[in-house]
Amino acid sequence: AQKVTQAQTEISVVEKEDVTLDCVYETRDTTYYLFWYKQPPSGELVFLIRRNSFDEQNEISGRYSWNFQKSTSSFNFTITASQVVDSAVYFCALSQGGSEKLVFGKGTKLTVNP
Amino acid sequence: EADIYQTPRYLVIGTGKKITLECSQTMGHDKMYWYQQDPGMELHLIHYSYGVNSTEKGDLSSESTVSRIRTEHFPLTLESARPSHTSQYLCASSEFGTVKDTQYFGPGTRLTVL
Repeated sequence: AQKVTQAQTEISVVEKEDVTLDCVYETRDTTYYLFWYKQPPSGELVFLIRRNSFDEQNEISGRYSWNFQKSTSSFNFTITASQVVDSAVYFCALSQGGSEKLVFGKGTKLTVNP
Repeated sequence: EADIYQTPRYLVIGTGKKITLECSQTMGHDKMYWYQQDPGMELHLIHYSYGVNSTEKGDLSSESTVSRIRTEHFPLTLESARPSHTSQYLCASSEFGTVKDTQYFGPGTRLTVL
């Protein structure tokens, strides 16, 4: 069975602080994909990143970075120098290779205060 | 990135009414999905489709039904709305290819049944 755990329900930081959102996953498959989505207050889910299980390179995109570690089954997301516009709910998700079904974590609500 | 449209964005309706939530995408994606998101933020897959004339039930049992007569259109219908159907409904689509399994989401429909 697949499972995604986002242990942090809510995080509150002050602007310009760095913040890391944790994601731990469970799967028996060797081929799988990991995702992060952002859901701002307006409600839509915005795709941020996709990672396949064979690519453990970390990725940086502007202030965003992702750390994928198969040894600990984790796919953590760091926002550097957070901004108020980063306030949103962030979801980590997992899909098996060959399957279209996404399994979502319960989300982490990030509030960045000015 | 996919262009996915959902209408209406907000709907308040009385118990017993029949409703249809519209979802359309303009990218020619084969696969489409409906998710239900409860107030606790968790997302659950309720329906999906691999293509025209294909519909499948998702992991969460739902009293809604879907149809896929055209590639770009994937409406969801509730024959008799009840307060327990109050939720946010998110539509998504994806395609085969180098970004296989990446689902792109619409803005959502927030449904309230009185």
